[in-house]
Amino acid sequence: DAGVIQSPRHEVTEMGQEVTLRCKPISGHNSLFWYRQTMMRGLELLIYFNNNVPIDDSGMPEDRFSAKMPNASFSTLKIQPSEPRDSAVYFCASSLAVLVREQYFGPGTRLTVT
Amino acid sequence: DQQVKQNSPSLSVQEGRISILNCDYTNSMFDYFLWYKKYPAEGPTFLISISSIKDKNEDGRFTVFLNKSAKHLSLHIVPSQPGDSAVYFCAAGGNSGNTPLVFGKGTRLSVIA
Repeated sequence: DAGVIQSPRHEVTEMGQEVTLRCKPISGHNSLFWYRQTMMRGLELLIYFNNNVPIDDSGMPEDRFSAKMPNASFSTLKIQPSEPRDSAVYFCASSLAVLVREQYFGPGTRLTVT
Repeated sequence: DQQVKQNSPSLSVQEGRISILNCDYTNSMFDYFLWYKKYPAEGPTFLISISSIKDKNEDGRFTVFLNKSAKHLSLHIVPSQPGDSAVYFCAAGGNSGNTPLVFGKGTRLSVIA
């Protein structure tokens, strides 16, 4: 399997623009997680899905952030409008199920908002 | 409030010596603990895990120790190799419903040749 695929790998945008990050989980995995990594806060869970249904979005920082999982093989994380403080590395991870602890991470998207 | 804490942001160790990375947690409901390793420009990769019913799990050069009474776990790497230089994340999970993992902030290990 190709592993978790994320695109783009790097994104540079101006404040106020919409940003969409994409993730393709490992085939057969039922749970999908979006994380954000910053120096100050480390690796934070933003939202996770189980069988394409959002289970917990309490980590989403503001209403500017939204995530969807229209099918088992695709998810998006959208920031609209983007702000400089959103600059971070965003990771997508998948696992066979939420209670299967080993998660497989994608390579991440490095977002820079100027 | 951080439920999983890695109090050492960085650690330097000589090649061939033991590396000990520490992690503390506060939530008594955590019953499964993992270590992830992360190289620059890559996502974290699973390294080793331990269930709360055990106090030690070994996989080659990597051993994880769990002290439930102290709510403390550690990762030992023996012998350390330059390729072990990476950021190591401690993570913890509970068995109550759909409880996802909680990660520490990570410790950057540098193994010096």
